Amino acid sequence: LAKTTQPISMDSYEGQEVNITCSHNNIATNDYITWYQQFPSQGPRFIIQGYKTKVTNEVASLFIPADRKSSTLSLPRVSLSDTAVYYCLVGVGTSGGYNKLIFGAGTRLAVHP
Amino acid sequence: NAGVTQTPKFRVLKTGQSMTLLCAQDMNHEYMYWYRQDPGMGLRLIHYSVGEGTTAKGEVPDGYNVSRLKKQNFLLGLESAAPSQTSVYFCASSYAGPNYGYTFGSGTRLTVV
Repeated sequence: LAKTTQPISMDSYEGQEVNITCSHNNIATNDYITWYQQFPSQGPRFIIQGYKTKVTNEVASLFIPADRKSSTLSLPRVSLSDTAVYYCLVGVGTSGGYNKLIFGAGTRLAVHP
Repeated sequence: NAGVTQTPKFRVLKTGQSMTLLCAQDMNHEYMYWYRQDPGMGLRLIHYSVGEGTTAKGEVPDGYNVSRLKKQNFLLGLESAAPSQTSVYFCASSYAGPNYGYTFGSGTRLTVV
């Protein structure tokens, strides 16, 4: 089971870049790293996914070093609407042919004016 | 394209009553999942399914049963509700497992009194 560790909470201000780092020392060879965002009273929303190096989309960037034991979600120029909980997940390797994602507590990001 | 639809959105049960939560997806996804989220905490996996007719236990399966008779539907049953099952329940689906990303429903807020 590829457990993840990320900070419980972070604070930032509007317009700043926010980097949230996640460690996953036991990641399996075939596992991707996925980040989700959750607003209050809503289900989590997929943000970005990567396997190695760097991935960028219209919302965020994901940096993954060569050893893949950690990853960093980068949110450029955050706004108040980026206040949410961010989850870092890695897929669990097959067990009897099944796959599942286990969520941790996530990182609560608070963006201040 | 509705994505993942959960019904009902809210429900209040008395201890010992039973109910079924319905999750429906229209994306032809193979994998479906039920999570619960307690206040201030991350999501915990209850049960999941990797295809029509299959189910498997997650982290916290006790007190719940599931069925996947049709590919597009995943039902979560509470046979005898307990106050400890007061939570927000989220359903998710995936094309082929965690490496393909999840789509979540908007949740069902269940209160057991």
